[in-house]
Amino acid sequence: NAGVTQTPKFRVLKTGQSMTLLCAQDMNHEYMYWYRQDPGMGLRLIHYSVGEGTTAKGEVPDGYNVSRLKKQNFLLGLESAAPSQTSVYFCASSYRGGESPLHFGNGTRLTVT
Amino acid sequence: AQTVTQSQPEMSVQEAETVTLSCTYDTSENNYYLFWYKQPPSRQMILVIRQEAYKQQNATENRFSVNFQKAAKSFSLKISDSQLGDTAMYFCAFMKHDLVLDSGNTPLVFGKGTRLSVIA
Repeated sequence: NAGVTQTPKFRVLKTGQSMTLLCAQDMNHEYMYWYRQDPGMGLRLIHYSVGEGTTAKGEVPDGYNVSRLKKQNFLLGLESAAPSQTSVYFCASSYRGGESPLHFGNGTRLTVT
Repeated sequence: AQTVTQSQPEMSVQEAETVTLSCTYDTSENNYYLFWYKQPPSRQMILVIRQEAYKQQNATENRFSVNFQKAAKSFSLKISDSQLGDTAMYFCAFMKHDLVLDSGNTPLVFGKGTRLSVIA
């Protein structure tokens, strides 16, 4: 039982490069989320999805795009990376909304130079 | 919009002692959930405890308990018999009961965290 798996665990990008972070969950959860964690800022929601084929913006969506083509996968894309996107990114999933807890992946540390 | 405030950036406690972490929140919702998550140095996010707003009884999980004051919008975490393994960042979080696909809506709002150090 893998839970929530994030790929890759670490990545270094140069400014302007693009990349995709993959989140996969094997719990048949409807809801999936992408957060970023910065020192002193807690976790801030980037985008989320309430089911296959749906996405919505969170608190800090600028510079990111997402897709949920399959229920088990939630992809986060950076089209043109900027140093301000240096952060730790967490994916999470839940069966429903507030009545079910979030299950988190182990995070991806991204550095943009 | 919901906000969550943790007023203690850092705290320390002696092993075996009790410590209370503070959390206040602001919302106009009546149905919601509150959580405490723990993040040890491994970076993993671990659910510590969960409280439904409609329940008056405070949630407990072994050494962890909360003091939920709905009118005051306060949700503190008490850790009893502190252990070295409790050393971590602790995040308070708020989630609305009903999630709708609404850009800008923030399903789960986190506070900025309290770094707890348990000292031997």
